[in-house]
Amino acid sequence: SQQGEEDPQALSIQEGENATMNCSYKTSINNLQWYRQNSGRGLVHLILIRSNEREKHSGRLRVTLDTSKKSSSLLITASRAADTASYFCATDQGTGNQFYFGTGTSLTVIP
Amino acid sequence: EADIYQTPRYLVIGTGKKITLECSQTMGHDKMYWYQQDPGMELHLIHYSYGVNSTEKGDLSSESTVSRIRTEHFPLTLESARPSHTSQYLCASSDLDRETQYFGPGTRLLVL
Repeated sequence: SQQGEEDPQALSIQEGENATMNCSYKTSINNLQWYRQNSGRGLVHLILIRSNEREKHSGRLRVTLDTSKKSSSLLITASRAADTASYFCATDQGTGNQFYFGTGTSLTVIP
Repeated sequence: EADIYQTPRYLVIGTGKKITLECSQTMGHDKMYWYQQDPGMELHLIHYSYGVNSTEKGDLSSESTVSRIRTEHFPLTLESARPSHTSQYLCASSDLDRETQYFGPGTRLLVL
């Protein structure tokens, strides 16, 4: 499969704590994106990091990319109950018009 | 907020029926996509389109068909629904640099 894998599959933390989730992929990429999906809804784009970037910030989000290890991490700082959702990474491998999505991490933030 | 719409949001239908899932976007995006997602699982691309009169199959084999007669409209049709088609179907679009996909709210399909 060309799709990535994320770990952990599920994560439960207390409000205010930081949440870290990881994504690994198999081939070289042009960019990697993170999306959030609330239960039963469509995905919402969070952040994009290009293959020549190592770290990127957006608000409480921090994304890192290690192309030598073919992995990325998403850190959500000072988590809130509203952050409860599934988080997916998606890679643009430049092979066509397809994005390859990971298996997702289900995050629960307990108030 | 993304201007991409899917109807119906929920559909319960009997085996053998023909169904069409609608997807429309008002952003003028050339590229549109259909994904299938089972609960708690990853997304699988089943169809995509570069623009009007262009359609391609994705990695996941699907018995569905799509059409792209207008830029803003990308309907998906199942000629004869089966219980194995029960899933969530997500439509998305992106602009030419295809760096970000905008997703609709999804259609949850249950075939009895």
